[in-house]
Amino acid sequence: IAGITQAPTSQILAAGRRMTLRCTQDMRHNAMYWYRQDLGLGLRLIHYSNTAGTTGKGEVPDGYSVSRANTDDFPLTLASAVPSQTSVYFCASSEAGTGGYEQFFGPGTRLTVL
Amino acid sequence: GQNIDQPTEMTATEGAIVQINCTYQTSGFNGLFWYQQHAGEAPTFLSYNVLDGLEEKGRFSSFLSRSKGYSYLLLKELQMKDSASYLCAHLDSNYQLIWGAGTKLIIKP
Repeated sequence: IAGITQAPTSQILAAGRRMTLRCTQDMRHNAMYWYRQDLGLGLRLIHYSNTAGTTGKGEVPDGYSVSRANTDDFPLTLASAVPSQTSVYFCASSEAGTGGYEQFFGPGTRLTVL
Repeated sequence: GQNIDQPTEMTATEGAIVQINCTYQTSGFNGLFWYQQHAGEAPTFLSYNVLDGLEEKGRFSSFLSRSKGYSYLLLKELQMKDSASYLCAHLDSNYQLIWGAGTKLIIKP
């Protein structure tokens, strides 16, 4: 049982390039989340999905898009990367309402935009 | 608005007890979480309080006072492996987690 997997583990990206961070969970959780974590700022919510087929904007959605075609996958796309998007990105999931609100996190993707 | 505060860094001695405080302001509240995060790793769940009082789980305990907007995480019999960041987060009226910046705990021998 893997829980939540993220790919890639790390990536160096040229500014202006398009990038998709992948996230897959095998716990059949209905809700999924994307956060970025920057030193001194804590976790900030980018986008979330309460159930397959729906998505919502978090605190810092600009420059990012998501899709939720099925329960397991929740990719995050940077359409045109900028240096301020250099960060560690965490994907998380929870049962949200059906079994509790504890969030389980993937191992993270360290992204550097040059 | 919503705000959540916790100390940036704390230092404690192996074998001792440490209390990490967290205060929050919110228009809607559905519970308070504590997570542990080792350097370079993902956050992992420690505790969840939705009612006032103390929840004990082994060496770790968490306390909540909703009227004061206050929580603390108490770590007993500190071990070197407890060196990590401790993240406080409250579940808001939309059932989204609002996170503090984290408290880096340094354990000295």
